Amino acid sequence: QLQLQESGPGLVKPSETLSLTCTVSGGSISSSSYYWGWIRQPPGKGLEWIGSIYYSGSTYYNPSLKSRVTISVDTSKNQFSLKLSSVTAADTAVYYCARHVSDCTGGVCAANWFDPWGQGTLVTVSS
Amino acid sequence: SYELTQPPSVSVSPGQTARITCSGDALPKQYAYWYQQKPGQAPVLVIYKDSERPSGIPERFSGSSSGTTVTLTISGVQAEDEADYYCQSADSSGFSWVFGGGTKLTVL
Repeated sequence: QLQLQESGPGLVKPSETLSLTCTVSGGSISSSSYYWGWIRQPPGKGLEWIGSIYYSGSTYYNPSLKSRVTISVDTSKNQFSLKLSSVTAADTAVYYCARHVSDCTGGVCAANWFDPWGQGTLVTVSS
Repeated sequence: SYELTQPPSVSVSPGQTARITCSGDALPKQYAYWYQQKPGQAPVLVIYKDSERPSGIPERFSGSSSGTTVTLTISGVQAEDEADYYCQSADSSGFSWVFGGGTKLTVL
C-alpha cells in the first residue's frame, strides 16, 4: 500500500525559505502515469494546489505561487521536495504531499486527481 | 484565476440524501473529483472522473455532471459522513488544478 510522509521544519521565519520533503513508500516514485504533488491548507480554510512533478523532473506550478516555488525529485531516495521562498504569515498552513494520478489516453492526459495523501505537516511562519 | 464554487454548508438528517454542488466554467470540458476531509485528517478521494467511485468507498456516494455544475450525492446519509467535502478540477488549459472552497456537511 502506497504511503507518503511529509517532513521538515514546523517553524519558519518571515522572508526565509520553507523546505519540505515527502518520502514515498510502498511503491516507486518513478512509476509512469503518476506525478507527485504538493497541496496546502491554511488553518480553517480550503485546499490550494501548489505544484506537481514527474519523476523525470517535469513540473507544473500554481500560477499564483510560481515565482516562489521550486519542486524537485530524488528518485534514488524515492523522495520529492518543496521549496517556497520569501514566506509570510499567509504561507502558514498544513502542507500535504500526494500522488498526482494522471490518466492519459492517446497522449491526452485529461484526468488528473490526488490519491493518496500524506498525513500533512503544519508549517508556521513566525519570527 | 479559475474558481470552483461550492455552498459553504449543507445539512441533512440521517437517512436522507445530501447533494453538494460545485460550479465552474471549465467543468463541461474537465473532469471533476470529490474529496472527503474529517477534522484533523488528510482528504480522501471519494469520486473521480465525475462519477467513478474508488474501491472501498461506499455505494451511497455518487457523482454526476451537467453543464457547468457537478454534484456529489450521498444517499442514506450516516453520522460518519459528517465532514468537509471539496471538489477539484482543472482550468481550461488542463494543466492547473484547483479546489473548490469546500462544503461542510452537517448530519443533524
